[in-house]
Amino acid sequence: DAGVIQSPRHEVTEMGQEVTLRCKPISGHDYLFWYRQTMMRGLELLIYFNNNVPIDDSGMPEDRFSAKMPNASFSTLKIQPSEPRDSAVYFCASSPIGSGDKETQYFGPGTRLLVL
Amino acid sequence: LAKTTQPISMDSYEGQEVNITCSHNNIATNDYITWYQQFPSQGPRFIIQGYKTKVTNEVASLFIPADRKSSTLSLPRVSLSDTAVYYCLGGSGNTPLVFGKGTRLSVIA
Repeated sequence: DAGVIQSPRHEVTEMGQEVTLRCKPISGHDYLFWYRQTMMRGLELLIYFNNNVPIDDSGMPEDRFSAKMPNASFSTLKIQPSEPRDSAVYFCASSPIGSGDKETQYFGPGTRLLVL
Repeated sequence: LAKTTQPISMDSYEGQEVNITCSHNNIATNDYITWYQQFPSQGPRFIIQGYKTKVTNEVASLFIPADRKSSTLSLPRVSLSDTAVYYCLGGSGNTPLVFGKGTRLSVIA
């Protein structure tokens, strides 16, 4: 299994531009999570999906952020317009939870975003 | 979700055993305790998970006392490659895990 795949790995953009981050979860996993990590705030959960349906988006910082999961093998996180304070590493993770009590999340390599 | 408290940082010499303790006073009956490890420029990686008593795998051991209000991750004979941030989380399969700031372990030669 290739694991969780994210693209791009690095993104540099200018303030005001639209940014789209992509994620391919591990096949068969029911849950998909988007996180943001910064030195100041640590690892924050932005949104998560169960069977392609958004369950909790309370962590999305503001309306400039949106996430979609059109099918079980693909999700996007979009920032429009981007701002310098959005600079962070964005992780996608997937999990096979839903069939038991234990939960293990498998993380992708992350997308390092820099907004100038 | 269980709120967890762990030390911000720890230092250790190579070859020593490292124990990182995490407090989770309000852990729910059906919550598991899970530990993740994160290296620089990588996503967190699952290390070990337990409910009570002791769990051991090829990487670490996890000790959870009977009251389950705390847990201790034990790393035997650490090496430089164990330098990472370690996260303690509490939760069940019905809710997503919430990561705190973790414990930054620095292993010194």
